[in-house]
Amino acid sequence: EPEVTQTPSHQVTQMGQEVILRCVPISNHLYFYWYRQILGQKVEFLVSFYNNEISEKSEIFDDQFSVERPDGSNFTLKIRSTKLEDSAMYFCASSNNEQFFGPGTRLTVL
Amino acid sequence: AQTVTQSQPEMSVQEAETVTLSCTYDTSENNYYLFWYKQPPSRQMILVIRQEAYKQQNATENRFSVNFQKAAKSFSLKISDSQLGDTAMYFCAFISLYGGSQGNLIFGKGTKLSVKP
Repeated sequence: EPEVTQTPSHQVTQMGQEVILRCVPISNHLYFYWYRQILGQKVEFLVSFYNNEISEKSEIFDDQFSVERPDGSNFTLKIRSTKLEDSAMYFCASSNNEQFFGPGTRLTVL
Repeated sequence: AQTVTQSQPEMSVQEAETVTLSCTYDTSENNYYLFWYKQPPSRQMILVIRQEAYKQQNATENRFSVNFQKAAKSFSLKISDSQLGDTAMYFCAFISLYGGSQGNLIFGKGTKLSVKP
């Protein structure tokens, strides 16, 4: 059964560093998403991506964040200069109708 | 703006018993989907069940069923014959179909369910 994959499973970084979180969506899906879940809180929408451009973004998705689909396979989330409050689980999802989630990347900012 | 409310932060149930998790939502739209996701300690998001708003019949998936009350904007999850593996966080989620199916999911805060042996 096809699935969404994410790497790495856990990323530890220093405050102010750039991180890139990677996702491989299900191959025939057209819509891609990033969500964030701070520990103990609900899952929050960050951004959606369709046809090689952002279709919607939340107020959380500020200028520190960017997304890219560099090679038609991967879907990446870049955080330019990480802050302590960026520590969270980051989930990628892909969809043609129903959203399928990846296993998440746990980002820890020290 | 749409909102999803789960009023039960934590619940517990004895193994083999039945438990119902509550969810209410607020929207002015008529065309949407509702979901329940399970998040075990591994933190993976696993889809449990889905309900299309245009369907009057309540969705069921094996031991999981929903009570969808569209007028009341209520969407509860019933777990029958609870098993230890059902222990997890359960999130109710809403997605609008306005503009197509590419909308983003809006989640409630979750209910932590503990199944006790």
